[in-house]
Amino acid sequence: EPEVTQTPSHQVTQMGQEVILRCVPISNHLYFYWYRQILGQKVEFLVSFYNNEISEKSEIFDDQFSVERPDGSNFTLKIRSTKLEDSAMYFCASTGDIREQYFGPGTRLTVT
Amino acid sequence: QKEVEQDPGPLSVPEGAIVSLNCTYSNSAFQYFMWYRQYSRKGPELLMYTYSSGNKEDGRFTAQVDKSSKYISLFIRDSQPSDSATYLCAMIMSGGSNYKLTFGKGTLLTVNP
Repeated sequence: EPEVTQTPSHQVTQMGQEVILRCVPISNHLYFYWYRQILGQKVEFLVSFYNNEISEKSEIFDDQFSVERPDGSNFTLKIRSTKLEDSAMYFCASTGDIREQYFGPGTRLTVT
Repeated sequence: QKEVEQDPGPLSVPEGAIVSLNCTYSNSAFQYFMWYRQYSRKGPELLMYTYSSGNKEDGRFTAQVDKSSKYISLFIRDSQPSDSATYLCAMIMSGGSNYKLTFGKGTLLTVNP
């Protein structure tokens, strides 16, 4: 069964460093998303991506964040200068049918 | 007022019990209603979704939507220890172009053998 994959599973970085989180969505899907979940809090929408461009971004998704689909299979989230408050689980999701978004296992980002 | 509210629990039931999980929402533009299951430190897994008002059944799971009350429910019959997880409700608005999910905080369920 197709699934969304994410790497790495856990990333530890120092404050101010750049990180890139990688996702491989399900191959025939057209809509891609990043969500995050701070420990003990709800899953929050960050950004949606369709037709090679951002279709919507949340208030959290400021200039420090960027997304890219560099090669037609990978979907990446870059945080340019990490802050302590960026520590969270980051989930990639994809869908071909808007009613069924499939999530990856997540990347746990720890900023020290 | 938060867009989607969900009692975080925790909820603890004996094996075989019927479980009722609920969410309320404030925005009448929500049209698609999902239930996800999330095991500790894993990604959300889609259980089922409903569109607009009504019921939907899938095995031991039944989802209900009452749009007039802005209230959705998930019932689990004959609950099993393997059902122990956090259950997240999530919603999508109609008329948008990106179909982002808006989540509740999740209810932690433990089914005791």
